[in-house]
Amino acid sequence: EVQLVQSGPEVKKPGESLKISCKGSGYSFISYRIGWVRQMPGKGLEWMGIIYPSDSDTRYSPSFQGQITISADQSISTAYLQWSSLKVSDTAMYYCVRRQVSGNQQIDYWGQGTLVTVSS
Amino acid sequence: EIVLTQSPATLSLSPGERATLSCRASQNIYSYLAWYQQKPGQAPRPLIYDASNRATGIPARFSGSGSGTDFTLTISSLEPEDFAVYYCQQRYNWDLTFGGGTEVEIK
Repeated sequence: EVQLVQSGPEVKKPGESLKISCKGSGYSFISYRIGWVRQMPGKGLEWMGIIYPSDSDTRYSPSFQGQITISADQSISTAYLQWSSLKVSDTAMYYCVRRQVSGNQQIDYWGQGTLVTVSS
Repeated sequence: EIVLTQSPATLSLSPGERATLSCRASQNIYSYLAWYQQKPGQAPRPLIYDASNRATGIPARFSGSGSGTDFTLTISSLEPEDFAVYYCQQRYNWDLTFGGGTEVEIK
């Protein structure tokens, strides 16, 4: 069974750093891309960026370029989303998603989400 | 950036009725459009990919149509579990974008 299991909720202060994780199981981790999606409280879905764990090729949405870092560790089938200096406006639910590499390139699985709260 | 505009923002219907949701793209995206369903407190669930193909396990009452800039998600007869928020998403380029969502609520 394919699963994307994300790390638990986080409460941080503005200016702190954070790295959240997404562990894939039940499939070949290096054969699919892993993307990240933000959902601010009561709002819609926003695409942040994507990584191909096989070669670490990473693409960021222009809206998030320079604000986040996406990485992956093949050896433990885990992708990461990190911030070096959080803002209150980073408060949101963050989802990781699996995206097929070829063919229809659909997003076919979602993680359960990681709630990040940034407050002074 | 490709902008997706969903309408209406809210659709008030009764169980058994037909729901028609619209998604309009700011430029031609061919058939590179997907639909997702999201219920409160849950992650989105894939429904349709490439405009008209149902994802694995999706009931036949869900159908997608359209190409170019205008797309439609139709739920032929609403079941109680279908009341949720629906999002469209384009994959024409690397910078994927989502529509703002349509909430299907119980009338």
